[in-house]
Amino acid sequence: QVQLVQSGAEVKRPGASVKLSCEASGDTFNKYAVHWVRQVPGQTLEWMGWINVKADTKSSQKFQGRVTFGMDASATMAYMELNNLRLDDTALYYCTRIYCASPSCYKFLGGFDPWGQGTQVTVSS
Amino acid sequence: DIQMTQSPSSLSGSVGDRVTITCRASQSISDYLNWYQLKPGKAPQLLIYAASRLQSGVPSRFIGSGSGTDFTLTITSLHPEDSATYYCQHTYTSPYSFGLGTKLEI
Repeated sequence: QVQLVQSGAEVKRPGASVKLSCEASGDTFNKYAVHWVRQVPGQTLEWMGWINVKADTKSSQKFQGRVTFGMDASATMAYMELNNLRLDDTALYYCTRIYCASPSCYKFLGGFDPWGQGTQVTVSS
Repeated sequence: DIQMTQSPSSLSGSVGDRVTITCRASQSISDYLNWYQLKPGKAPQLLIYAASRLQSGVPSRFIGSGSGTDFTLTITSLHPEDSATYYCQHTYTSPYSFGLGTKLEI
């Protein structure tokens, strides 16, 4: 049973960058895409983007230019880096995965499962 | 972008009650609709995928239905542990947006 284990909480200043990690324990990300979702306190879940094992990526227009996704060669560790942090980036950030519908892995089957435990990112001056 | 409208925003019920949450997409998404359960301090849990398919390990009292633009999540007999916030989400095309959530109190 795969588990996604995320890196620990971060506290950053406005304008800084944060890099979060997500490790697949008990499986790899082969045949899956890793998606990143965040939840600002009191708000709904917000989809940020994805990366597949071929290093194809897609991000929400809201974060384009500020977010970068990565994955290691073993396809067991995924990363998300968010730059130029703002106060309203304070949120709980989740990684999750979804099965690829085809080898190209641009469309997906099923839902997001499992999810990591979340990484709290606090942006404060 | 596809917008997901979820209702109600909150509801309450008693153990054994049947409750229904609705989700409407701003355009047809076929059956690319998922339901998640969120509890404080815990990772989100996938309940239903492809509108009506029960995720492995999820109790059968959770039932999803619908296609196109209108979807429902029904809990046929509430248990105390069903107290949570429920979200619908589409995976039809990016951005894969979520509804605003329904907070369920038992």
